[in-house]
Amino acid sequence: SQTIHQWPATLVQPVGSPLSLECTVEGTSNPNLYWYRQAAGRGLQLLFYSVGIGQISSEVPQNLSASRPQDRQFILSSKKLLLSDSGFYLCAWTSGVYSNTGELFFGEGSRLTVL
Amino acid sequence: AQSVSQHNHHVILSEAASLELGCNYSYGGTVNLFWYVQYPGQHLQLLLKYFSGDPLVKGIKGFEAEFIKSKFSFNLRKPSVQWSDTAEYFCAVMPRGYSTLTFGKGTMLLVSP
Repeated sequence: SQTIHQWPATLVQPVGSPLSLECTVEGTSNPNLYWYRQAAGRGLQLLFYSVGIGQISSEVPQNLSASRPQDRQFILSSKKLLLSDSGFYLCAWTSGVYSNTGELFFGEGSRLTVL
Repeated sequence: AQSVSQHNHHVILSEAASLELGCNYSYGGTVNLFWYVQYPGQHLQLLLKYFSGDPLVKGIKGFEAEFIKSKFSFNLRKPSVQWSDTAEYFCAVMPRGYSTLTFGKGTMLLVSP
């Protein structure tokens, strides 16, 4: 069966420090991968998605970047964190073969606090 | 670009009350529609989905949703809620041929025993 893992689950970082959140999917190949940010009362905002290795699409301009170095690995990064980067980050995947269905499978999330 | 509007941010009900959560989307073409649920301390999971066919779809735990194309709506219903239905509910839309899902802002449902 397919599984998705995110880490770290919780992170507290000072302003100006770098960030790296990792997400891996197991049990499937060539998935579509997504990074969302969830904020209370604002729902889920799509940050990045990827349909293949090295292919990254950004939905909103921001202080963050994403990379997909391997088929089932998706990384969210920042060189210098801002206070406004605090939030709950969710990684998700869907089968690339059936990517037009939209049924996403979510990870457990990573809560980032920038001080 | 498509958007999703959920009518209520917070809903409080007593057990056995009926539930209806409103969801409207803006997109002129064909869409796939979803309701996701996030129980306290758990990750987001799919509640039900509509791709085509019967506009009344049934999901897990007794939930159902009706797609009304003329109203661009996909409202979620349950005849009798339980305390365990306390959660945040998200409506989402994906236009056909797209690779991304757009979510509404969510509705927090609190069911009192």
